[in-house]
Amino acid sequence: ETGVTQTPRHLVMGMTNKKSLKCEQHLGHNAMYWYKQSAKKPLELMFVYSLEERVENNSVPSRFSPECPNSSHLFLHLHTLQPEDSALYLCASSHRTGGSLGSGANVLTFGAGSRLTVL
Amino acid sequence: DAKTTQPTSMDCAEGRAANLPCNHSTISGNEYVYWYRQIHSQGPQYIIHGLKNNETNEMASLIITEDRKSSTLILPHATLRDTAVYYCIVRVLSFQGTGANNLFFGTGTRLTVIP
Repeated sequence: ETGVTQTPRHLVMGMTNKKSLKCEQHLGHNAMYWYKQSAKKPLELMFVYSLEERVENNSVPSRFSPECPNSSHLFLHLHTLQPEDSALYLCASSHRTGGSLGSGANVLTFGAGSRLTVL
Repeated sequence: DAKTTQPTSMDCAEGRAANLPCNHSTISGNEYVYWYRQIHSQGPQYIIHGLKNNETNEMASLIITEDRKSSTLILPHATLRDTAVYYCIVRVLSFQGTGANNLFFGTGTRLTVIP
């Protein structure tokens, strides 16, 4: 247990379904992240929230909709996904740093991931 | 461009030290070196980070060369549970004014600990 909990761990959905992934952290962090990891590819950043404000949307299609109601919770709402969206979705959290490159180390704590399969 | 170069795979005998190298010849003076690992189908796990000095914690040691162009992660007594992909990360994208940062994961080194 890392302190970042993701549910569900496994999800199978059809292309017309609507589902949500949930992430919860109990570390007192104030930045939260969604990453996507497709088979045999490096992690790709999707979204970043700092103090519940979205600060990055890394060209992610609108069928993925993030929500951060408070600094401890992060959701990823899914609708009309495609089979190529099947992947491991990882949530992470961190303390905010000074904000400029190299002004402080930034350690991310990851959850165990949600394995999504789109049929 | 992850700014790091790591071997694709390595083997290590159980109980022996695992030494994982990483080249980061274009590192700038204020960039940290981070090491994470990912056991199959789980989230990446933070191991250690450093700036200039060598670092040690309960998991591993990090040796950074004086010119900072390369580093080595050392697992002193590898166990079967250390089998994982190990990522050396230098490139960090900061979202100015927000305090959030993105770490760029490359393809890492797949370490297999052999009984």
